[in-house]
Amino acid sequence: GQQLNQSPQSMFIQEGEDVSMNCTSSSIFNTWLWYKQDPGEGPVLLIALYKAGELTSNGRLTAQFGITRKDSFLNISASIPSDVGIYFCAGQRRGSTLGRLYFGRGTQLTVWP
Amino acid sequence: NAGVTQTPKFQVLKTGQSMTLQCAQDMNHNSMYWYRQDPGMGLRLIYYSASEGTTDKGEVPNGYNVSRLNKREFSLRLESAAPSQTSVYFCASSELGGGLLPLHFGNGTRLTVT
Repeated sequence: GQQLNQSPQSMFIQEGEDVSMNCTSSSIFNTWLWYKQDPGEGPVLLIALYKAGELTSNGRLTAQFGITRKDSFLNISASIPSDVGIYFCAGQRRGSTLGRLYFGRGTQLTVWP
Repeated sequence: NAGVTQTPKFQVLKTGQSMTLQCAQDMNHNSMYWYRQDPGMGLRLIYYSASEGTTDKGEVPNGYNVSRLNKREFSLRLESAAPSQTSVYFCASSELGGGLLPLHFGNGTRLTVT
């Protein structure tokens, strides 16, 4: 079943505001990924994290791999209208078989101009 | 460079009908995957193929079969469609299996079973 708890489920913010979302798990993960999905398209990778404590940026996006290996967060600074979409966390659990990526249920982000 | 291509984009089936969803990737990736996405559920793994010639069940394999036709192509078959299989289906590929190298997704097939 579902392994990851992602929150919040949805966010409505004003353009220019910062955004924060996170993912937690009861299991230890050895990889965390953050994806964005635009309407009618497949998820596109934003950031990949491979080490506990790792902090990685991609433009206005910053993600961290939690030190306990059971959580990760994604921050978006100075949001713009094109940030609208669904953001998914995904992770590979330590010891899982090849190909097993677990996904959170997504955070729907709406940005008002 | 097309990446991961899925066909068809949309499909409507009646209960009991069969169909095959096609997926092809041009990135020379070893591993390929089929996920389904339902509202509020995220993506759930149906089947995957770590390399050409191998397939394995994922989280929700019941009602589906797959074929890894060659390195490029990985198809998903519904033998007898049911309304519970109404969903958006995504194919993905990666150079190595699992999360070591991230998944690249196609744009999805929207399937409705009436």
